[in-house]
Amino acid sequence: DVKVTQSSRYLVKRTGEKVFLECVQDMDHENMFWYRQDPGLGLRLIYFSYDVKMKEKGDIPEGYSVSREKKERFSLILESASTNQTSMYLCASSFVGATNEKLFFGSGTQLSVL
Amino acid sequence: AQSVSQHNHHVILSEAASLELGCNYSYGGTVNLFWYVQYPGQHLQLLLKYFSGDPLVKGIKGFEAEFIKSKFSFNLRKPSVQWSDTAEYFCAVNGVGANNLFFGTGTRLTVIP
Repeated sequence: DVKVTQSSRYLVKRTGEKVFLECVQDMDHENMFWYRQDPGLGLRLIYFSYDVKMKEKGDIPEGYSVSREKKERFSLILESASTNQTSMYLCASSFVGATNEKLFFGSGTQLSVL
Repeated sequence: AQSVSQHNHHVILSEAASLELGCNYSYGGTVNLFWYVQYPGQHLQLLLKYFSGDPLVKGIKGFEAEFIKSKFSFNLRKPSVQWSDTAEYFCAVNGVGANNLFFGTGTRLTVIP
């Protein structure tokens, strides 16, 4: 079974801190995604990557960056956390070209920025 | 621009009632359509998907959805809900050949025993 693991379930950070959210998948998927989930707004795509060292902006990339140095790992970086980045962050992965296949999601990281 | 609309934000039903959750999308091309479910405390998982063929698709746990191209809709249905169906349901769409998946805002379903 595919496993997408997010390193932290809950995180509390202060405004201005640099925050790293880590995601690892064990199925050799090419595509990896970072979404944030907010009540009433659903899931919004922040960034995605379709290969190592490749990245594409999603719908709401402002205030975020990503790193994909290895195929299995996709990191989301908040350079200077702000309170409006308090959210549930979801990582997902899929095979490349498998656009009619499902995404595999991690359990999420609930980030609170104080 | 692509978009997905789920007009029901919160639906409350008694057990054995029938369910229909609306989903409409906007996209200028051929699409793949999905319903995902998130049970309390669990990660998102695929309920069912449509990418071609029979517009009536059946998923897990007795759910089904019908793709009506003329209405740009992909409504989710279940004839008789159970308490264990309490969850949040997300409709999603992507263009064929595209990597990105667009999600609706979600519908929270509460089933009362």
